[in-house]
Amino acid sequence: DADVTQTPRNRITKTGKRIMLECSQTKGHDRMYWYRQDPGLGLQLIYYSFDVKDINKGEISDGYSVSRQAQAKFSLSLESAIPNQTALYFCATSGPGENQPQHFGDGTRLSIL
Amino acid sequence: GQQVMQIPQYQHVQEGEDFTTYCNSSTTLSNIQWYKQRPGGHPVFLIQLVKSGEVKKQKRLTFQFGEAKKNSSLHITATQTTDVGTYFCAGRNTGTASKLTFGTGTRLQVTL
Repeated sequence: DADVTQTPRNRITKTGKRIMLECSQTKGHDRMYWYRQDPGLGLQLIYYSFDVKDINKGEISDGYSVSRQAQAKFSLSLESAIPNQTALYFCATSGPGENQPQHFGDGTRLSIL
Repeated sequence: GQQVMQIPQYQHVQEGEDFTTYCNSSTTLSNIQWYKQRPGGHPVFLIQLVKSGEVKKQKRLTFQFGEAKKNSSLHITATQTTDVGTYFCAGRNTGTASKLTFGTGTRLQVTL
């Protein structure tokens, strides 16, 4: 969805570097998510947030941190990148309630050498 | 923790053939969603099923939720090249608010 914007779209960096991936949305949704996609493994939830300053760990949060300083923005950080964090990262949003679809950004392809 | 498996992992069909992907959860689900991801794209929501035994159709696509709410299927009749992509189911566990667990996905390739 063009309403969910991820930056950068591609990034190549070296082991040990700190990296921040940004996600911004114009959908007015309170709920935001970060996923990681690896071939054959589907989408794995890293962190999610239901409101500003609300942070919850997902399935694979080790090695990652997030920040939700505003409703429209949710950033994902890799404090010290390692090669097995090479993957496609997606941000998603959803509206209130338990039966809402998730709306995904275009993804960030991250390569760590 | 909850696991959601999909089979097959990959299927290659000739245009006009039917296709089915199956989704199985290790736990009972409150609802299940289906997404499609085109090559190079992002997942896009297709549909949600909530009731036990529910069946929904979208043109050539038929979605079914099992009676025990632990499995689901997506059937495409007479595939077209526009159906190419990876299909994911995503289940929401009863009692774990708003977290979706995505299946491993089925990649569909359609050739003329």
